[in-house]
Amino acid sequence: QVQLVQSGAEVKKPGASVKVSCKASGYTFSSYGISWVRQAPGQGLEWMGWISAYNGDTNYAQKLQGRVTMTTDTSTTTAYMELRSLRSDDTAVYYCARESRIVGATTLDYWGQGTLVTVSS
Amino acid sequence: DIQMTQSPSSLSASVGDRVTITCRASQSISSYLNWYQQKPGKAPKLLIYAASSLQSGVPSRFSGSGSGTDFTLTISSLQPEDFATYYCQQGYRTSLTFGQGTKLEIK
Repeated sequence: QVQLVQSGAEVKKPGASVKVSCKASGYTFSSYGISWVRQAPGQGLEWMGWISAYNGDTNYAQKLQGRVTMTTDTSTTTAYMELRSLRSDDTAVYYCARESRIVGATTLDYWGQGTLVTVSS
Repeated sequence: DIQMTQSPSSLSASVGDRVTITCRASQSISSYLNWYQQKPGKAPKLLIYAASSLQSGVPSRFSGSGSGTDFTLTISSLQPEDFATYYCQQGYRTSLTFGQGTKLEIK
């Protein structure tokens, strides 16, 4: 069965960086992309960007351009999301999700369990 | 970016009720609209893709409709496990966007 297992919670100081991992299993990793979505406490879902596990192409949300980098390691079927220059409003649960095109619609059909990143001095 | 607007933002209903949530896109997205359910402390779960197709394993009391800019999610007879927050998401542009969510609460 498809599973996405994320790394554990992190506490970071403002200005630091965080790198969250997402280990995929149960499907052919290179056949799908991975999107990252975050959710601030009590708030809605915010799409952060996407990476192709086939060729490493990326598409980042404009507001995060320059601060976020998404990568994959096909040898370990793991995706990574690094966010730099952390601010207090980056405090959120970060999710990875498998991105599929189903009947033409870009769909997030499987999700990781989420990783809480807390930014606090 | 395509803006997605859901209504209502919150909704109180009783077990057995029929409930409808709407989602409007700022431009036409054809049928490239998905619905997710999220329970507290859990990851979102895909319910409906491509506006009206039920994801495998999702109960048939959930249904979706619409195309262009206006979409609806209907729960035909609310069950206790359906009280959650629901999000729409456009899958038309590669930069995905979500609605702000609709919190469905027990009356």
